[in-house]
Amino acid sequence: GAVVSQHPSRVICKSGTSVKIECRSLDFQATTMFWYRQFPKQSLMLMATSNEGSKATYEQGVEKDKFLINHASLTLSTLTVTSAHPEDSSFYICSARDQQGEAFFGQGTRLTVV
Amino acid sequence: GEDVEQSLFLSVREGDSSVINCTYTDSSSTYLYWYKQEPGAGLQLLTYIFSNMDMKQDQRLTVLLNKKDKHLSLRIADTQTGDSAIYFCAESMNAGNMLTFGGGTRLMVKP
Repeated sequence: GAVVSQHPSRVICKSGTSVKIECRSLDFQATTMFWYRQFPKQSLMLMATSNEGSKATYEQGVEKDKFLINHASLTLSTLTVTSAHPEDSSFYICSARDQQGEAFFGQGTRLTVV
Repeated sequence: GEDVEQSLFLSVREGDSSVINCTYTDSSSTYLYWYKQEPGAGLQLLTYIFSNMDMKQDQRLTVLLNKKDKHLSLRIADTQTGDSAIYFCAESMNAGNMLTFGGGTRLMVKP
């Protein structure tokens, strides 16, 4: 099946710094990618929908200036957590939709802000 | 808004069948999915069903959909220890839309 590569898988950063997470579709083109966040023992919550070549659509309550999403090509979307704080520590997962509409998920990134 | 609910925990013995249940509220849900999440990993699509289907079987997995009651279930036959994971059901209105997830059911398989 299609592969979505998410990098890094784990990152620890200091409070106040920024972290970039990459999501790549390796063998298909994804005009739409989604970013989810998962708190411990909770479900995945959609943060934003990323469309290639246009601005991302953010869900209510998600700060667009804090979680910068760039979808510059059909195979790459990035999520940058700016000025990270300990409450941003979470598991972030991207998914990419192929032409048939099936969603493939990345491995996830565990962010720890200290 | 849409709401998807699952029970939190299920424990079964190896070799038994597991049934994980899910309810949803959005009657316009067209696609319903089951994902598996192993510790520290991303989500793996197990199977999906269109809303115009009642049942779908794929090897050890059987999905049942009761559209009238908005109830979805996943049955795993001959459950193995490797099936221990968190199982998420999810729904979307169409193939291009974002997914709404349930809270996940942690399946524990005892030897």
